[in-house]
Parts: sequence; structure tokens; C-alpha cells
Amino acid sequence: SQQGEEDPQALSIQEGENATMNCSYKTSINNLQWYRQNSGRGLVHLILIRSNEREKHSGRLRVTLDTSKKSSSLLITASRAADTASYFCATDLISNFGNEKLTFGTGTRLTIIP
Amino acid sequence: EPEVTQTPSHQVTQMGQEVILRCVPISNHLYFYWYRQILGQKVEFLVSFYNNEISEKSEIFDDQFSVERPDGSNFTLKIRSTKLEDSAMYFCASSVPPSGIYYGYTFGSGTRLTVV
Repeated sequence: SQQGEEDPQALSIQEGENATMNCSYKTSINNLQWYRQNSGRGLVHLILIRSNEREKHSGRLRVTLDTSKKSSSLLITASRAADTASYFCATDLISNFGNEKLTFGTGTRLTIIP
Repeated sequence: EPEVTQTPSHQVTQMGQEVILRCVPISNHLYFYWYRQILGQKVEFLVSFYNNEISEKSEIFDDQFSVERPDGSNFTLKIRSTKLEDSAMYFCASSVPPSGIYYGYTFGSGTRLTVV
């Protein structure tokens, strides 16, 4: 598998339910980030978790990171129709220059059914 | 909240023509980037830019591509002679305020480039 692969590729749930998406990666990282993309639109930064962190919360979002398994999960609680979008994980390494490239996963297409 | 602004939102160009995609990053950010996303595919890194020079580029970023920060506010991506396979959504991003603390990228809303 490639660096940054999300599963499932697609997820449909009823409004109000929780949505969980997973991301696996292959190399060591400094940070892992989750982004949202509404259809045909830009990427919106949701949350960043550093390699020395295990869990982070932001509103209805909860992100976990397991560096031993090279995996992360994104949980969206009490989903809303407006959460319908594609969700991507992205990993990065910090080089001597500062910040280097992000490597994006393939994304999970989340559909919230009203 | 500060934004990264990209223009135009959509550009159609003839194969072989030059295009310039424009971006205004967040003013006090130190690092600037271009990424692209071919329809239905992953978002791919093109180039990063720091202190008025390229810090890293991908193998996609060949001699047909160039970046410039001409006036301290704009950040441009030029494709010298477009090919059909350059059709994609191009995203500009910036990161790292002067504090030096990295919080992730701020992406623009993208320019959809269609080469015909």
C-alpha cells in the first residue's frame, strides 16, 4: 500500500450517527493531518496531530495516532448533512529547510443521509 | 480568519499555450506550496518555496513549470507549454507564521485548469 491510505474508500451513514475513518502510512512521520474537501472545492485543514501525541479533539472531531501501527483514525461524532465531503489524511516530515511536502492519502468519501 | 486566495477559479487553455496561476498566500507565512489533483486522483505535491527559492520539487515539476514570488505578496505557478495531462485542480498553500510553530497548511480554493 502507498503512504497515506484511508479506509473505507466510501462511507454512508445516517445523520446523527458517528463516522470513523482510518488512515495507514508506511514511513516515520513528524505530523499527521486531516483535511476535508467538498466536491470540486478546496482543501480545508481540520486537525493536526504530532507524532508525540496520541489523541486530539476539536469540536466534534477526535483524532487518534498510533505510531507503532503507523495508523490514525478520524471520528466525527453526531454527523450532520454538512459533513458530507471527502476526507484525506496527510503526513509530513520536517526537514532542515522547515516544512516539506505533504503526502496525501486516497481519501474517504463520506455521505451523510438526512 | 486569514485566507489563501487563488485566481482564476477556472481556466481553459489551448494545448501548447502558457498559463500563469496566481496565488496570494497568507501574508506573514514563510513557506509556500503548489499541489495538484487530477480528477479522481490523489492530491500531489509539486513544489515548496522558502526564502525566495525552491526548497523541494517533485518529479512532476519539470522544466515546463516555474514559480515566482514577484512582489512579496503574489506567488505564481507558470506552465510554459501546457499538455492535455496538465488538466487538474491546482492548489496553492502556505504555512508557518513568524513564530515558527507549524500548525498545518492553509490551502486556497484551487484553480481548475482545463487544457483542450
